[in-house]
Amino acid sequence: DAGVIQSPRHEVTEMGQEVTLRCKPISGHNSLFWYRQTMMRGLELLIYFNNNVPIDDSGMPEDRFSAKMPNASFSTLKIQPSEPRDSAVYFCASSSPGLGVYGYTFGSGTRLTVV
Amino acid sequence: AQSVTQLGSHVSVSEGALVLLRCNYSSSVPPYLFWYVQYPNQGLQLLLKYTSAATLVKGINGFEAEFKKSETSFHLTKPSAHMSDAAEYFCAVSAGGSQGNLIFGKGTKLSVKP
Repeated sequence: DAGVIQSPRHEVTEMGQEVTLRCKPISGHNSLFWYRQTMMRGLELLIYFNNNVPIDDSGMPEDRFSAKMPNASFSTLKIQPSEPRDSAVYFCASSSPGLGVYGYTFGSGTRLTVV
Repeated sequence: AQSVTQLGSHVSVSEGALVLLRCNYSSSVPPYLFWYVQYPNQGLQLLLKYTSAATLVKGINGFEAEFKKSETSFHLTKPSAHMSDAAEYFCAVSAGGSQGNLIFGKGTKLSVKP
C-alpha cells in the first residue's frame, strides 16, 4: 500500500487566494482526519470523517476553512480566502474500523506558506 | 473523556545514554495508548501501541513502553540513544473501539548530543 497520499507537498500562495489541499486515504480505511501543526499550537485536529460523513468539525478555525470527502478515496481541505496566520503543516490521517485500537496512519503533510 | 500529558517539551540526552520520555494519561475507561514519532519534515509514524495485552510493549528502533495503571503512565524508553533518534515524540490515548478517537499530547522534542 502506498500509504496516505497528500498533495501538494509544499504550497506558497498570496494572502487572499484560495488554497486546496488534497488527501487520498489508505484503501479500506473508513475514517479520515485533517490536522494542522504549528510551532505555537502544536498538533490540532481540524475535522474528521467516518464513512465519508463529517463527524466533528469543531476544530475548524473559522468559516474560511471547509473540508469535503466526496468518496472513500479522496478528501479536500479548502481555505478561502487564505491569510498569513494559516501558514502551517497540514496532515491528513486515516484509520480502519476500530480506529481507537489500531491508531492512525499519517500522510507526509502539506507545508502551506501564505505570504 | 481522555487526555494525555507529556512532561517536558524538550529532552536532551547524550548518544548512548538512556532515553526516557514521560507520558501520563487520564481515561474514564480502560485506555489504548500509542507513541508516535515525527522526524523533521515528515508525518507522524506509529512507534508502538498498548491495547490491553502485555503491559510492556516493544516498538520499532529499540523503543519500548510500559503501561502502569497505578501510575496512569505510559513512559517511552530506549536503553541507548542514537543520533538518528532525534525527533519529536507524541503520546496519544484512545477509548478504543469504533468511537475512540486518538487524543494527542503536545509532544516532546528529543535531542541527541554526540
